[in-house]
Amino acid sequence: SQQGEEDPQALSIQEGENATMNCSYKTSINNLQWYRQNSGRGLVHLILIRSNEREKHSGRLRVTLDTSKKSSSLLITASRAADTASYFCATDPLDSGNTPLVFGKGTRLSVIA
Amino acid sequence: DTGVSQDPRHKITKRGQNVTFRCDPISEHNRLYWYRQTLGQGPEFLTYFQNEAQLEKSRLLSDRFSAERPKGSFSTLEIQRTEQGDSAMYLCASSLLQGQGNEQFFGPGTRLTVL
Repeated sequence: SQQGEEDPQALSIQEGENATMNCSYKTSINNLQWYRQNSGRGLVHLILIRSNEREKHSGRLRVTLDTSKKSSSLLITASRAADTASYFCATDPLDSGNTPLVFGKGTRLSVIA
Repeated sequence: DTGVSQDPRHKITKRGQNVTFRCDPISEHNRLYWYRQTLGQGPEFLTYFQNEAQLEKSRLLSDRFSAERPKGSFSTLEIQRTEQGDSAMYLCASSLLQGQGNEQFFGPGTRLTVL
């Protein structure tokens, strides 16, 4: 079963605009991670935020985590056509002992040039 | 390229045939994971190894599925008597057990089509 739920399921924006994707999850976590997947390809790790962190930046990416609401958001600023992909949040459950990640269904982002 | 390789990249087979996939993780990584992904869904966990030991199997892993990691390096995933419902992308990932982090590096996947 999948724990995370990304919102929206699909997002279409113009190049240069910002894209915000949200993720909600159900159980306590060690950390939450965001991955990107280009069509038909494997997943690429973007960023990891630990349960005791509230915000993290990496280049044009900004991730927030609210453990009280069990939610996270991924912001991509100044989007580019190359950002077109599916984005997944994945949680590392607290009692799992650093084992399998639990993925959401993803947000399909289309950036139109 | 994350450093995790999978072979083959695509496999088309007829229902009832057996198939085997291979995954070569990043060499120093001690953990190796198998996931399955169907269209429009996120990856779903199948099984994982720490070194050569298979530590956990999902309920998704029926008795037709078997995975091995004999020397703690590469891994194979075999599906016996394939069914059309097995059609999916099979993803392998590896990680290095350390602290609280669990960043996993994924391979490009093997896309299985069962006719």
